[in-house]
Amino acid sequence: RKEVEQDPGPFNVPEGATVAFNCTYSNSASQSFFWYRQDCRKEPKLLMSVYSSGNEDGRFTAQLNRASQYISLLIRDSKLSDSATYLCVVKPMGGTASKLTFGTGTRLQVTL
Amino acid sequence: EAGVTQFPSHSVIEKGQTVTLRCDPISGHDNLYWYRRVMGKEIKFLLHFVKESKQDESGMPNNRFLAERTGGTYSTLKVQPAELEDSGVYFCASSPPTSGRLGNEQFFGPGTRLTVL
Repeated sequence: RKEVEQDPGPFNVPEGATVAFNCTYSNSASQSFFWYRQDCRKEPKLLMSVYSSGNEDGRFTAQLNRASQYISLLIRDSKLSDSATYLCVVKPMGGTASKLTFGTGTRLQVTL
Repeated sequence: EAGVTQFPSHSVIEKGQTVTLRCDPISGHDNLYWYRRVMGKEIKFLLHFVKESKQDESGMPNNRFLAERTGGTYSTLKVQPAELEDSGVYFCASSPPTSGRLGNEQFFGPGTRLTVL
């Protein structure tokens, strides 16, 4: 079983739609959670961290359910520029244990 | 501020040859990481330097891979001899000195695309 599981997609949605991605992780010791965005043939870039209380950044909302070991990302009012692969990433306790564990990513294609 | 840079951007070599990848982290970032994405798979951790010391090398696939960070600045990752399954994109990332329980954001370089024929 992979440490971080994501639906690879692709998710094809029209502009203006709301789309949600889900992710599950297997290591209950994971302490930090992130969504990264990766454009085609580019490097991953941090989109947002995910906090237990849930957090929002503009059109993006992330939620964490520690009991179910489940993370979600909601994108409202999708734009063409949101087309990318969204990577679910977890990290164990901070300090020296800093390696990131990635999911395979969920591809989003926003169309006119 | 300059980001993480990697050289070369692409490398095509034959099986059995040696390749050396270079990463220059963001200035002042003590933490340097190497990751790899093999086609069709997720990005996987290779190793983590804190300054010049290897903090965690649990992800290194085998002894054909050698990473160094002499002087605690740039890092090199050498593959010798390269095999077909080493093909993929090698990413380097860096982060500032760790502070707090959750650590710091890792900033990724553009990657080196390695093809072994």
